[in-house]
Amino acid sequence: GAVVSQHPSWVICKSGTSVKIECRSLDFQATTMFWYRQFPKQSLMLMATSNEGSKATYEQGVEKDKFLINHASLTLSTLTVTSAHPEDSSFYICSAYGGGRSNQPQHFGDGTRLSIL
Amino acid sequence: GDSVTQMEGPVTLSEEAFLTINCTYTATGYPSLFWYVQYPGEGLQLLLKATKADDKGSNKGFEATYRKETTSFHLEKGSVQVSDSAVYFCALVSGGGADGLTFGKGTHLIIQP
Repeated sequence: GAVVSQHPSWVICKSGTSVKIECRSLDFQATTMFWYRQFPKQSLMLMATSNEGSKATYEQGVEKDKFLINHASLTLSTLTVTSAHPEDSSFYICSAYGGGRSNQPQHFGDGTRLSIL
Repeated sequence: GDSVTQMEGPVTLSEEAFLTINCTYTATGYPSLFWYVQYPGEGLQLLLKATKADDKGSNKGFEATYRKETTSFHLEKGSVQVSDSAVYFCALVSGGGADGLTFGKGTHLIIQP
């Protein structure tokens, strides 16, 4: 089946560092990719939606200058957390959608656990 | 806007017990409904889905039926195993697969031997 690879799986870094997370669709072309954030013991919240070759659409309350999203190809989207601070520590998960019938599900990566010291 | 409400856990059961995790939703139009499972330290895996009223999704012994009249999509399994211990998320998408999913808060299921 379809596979989405997310890298890295775990990041620990100092406050003020910028961190890039990659999301790749391995065996299909992802017309749309999504980035979610999950706080401990809470649900996933959609942060932004990105379509290949266009600017990402951010959900209300998500700072687009803080969370930079690039979707340069049909198989790769990146999320960069700029000048990360401890409050940005969270579990970030991407998902990819390959188009076609609207009832097809999104396929999720394994997530990236970000810890800012 | 769209929303999903599911029973909060943790839900603790003994092995071979019957499982029900309730999920109700509000949405515009005719959403597709999903159950995802998240094992410790991992991402989400699609467990099952249903795309129209009265559809029944099933996988690995789990079932859920799309009930439009009660706006529900309850997850059931007749006999749970220790390996079923995980967090289960009910989710929907209204506008099609190119829209972000709306998730419930998740239900932590603990199965004791």
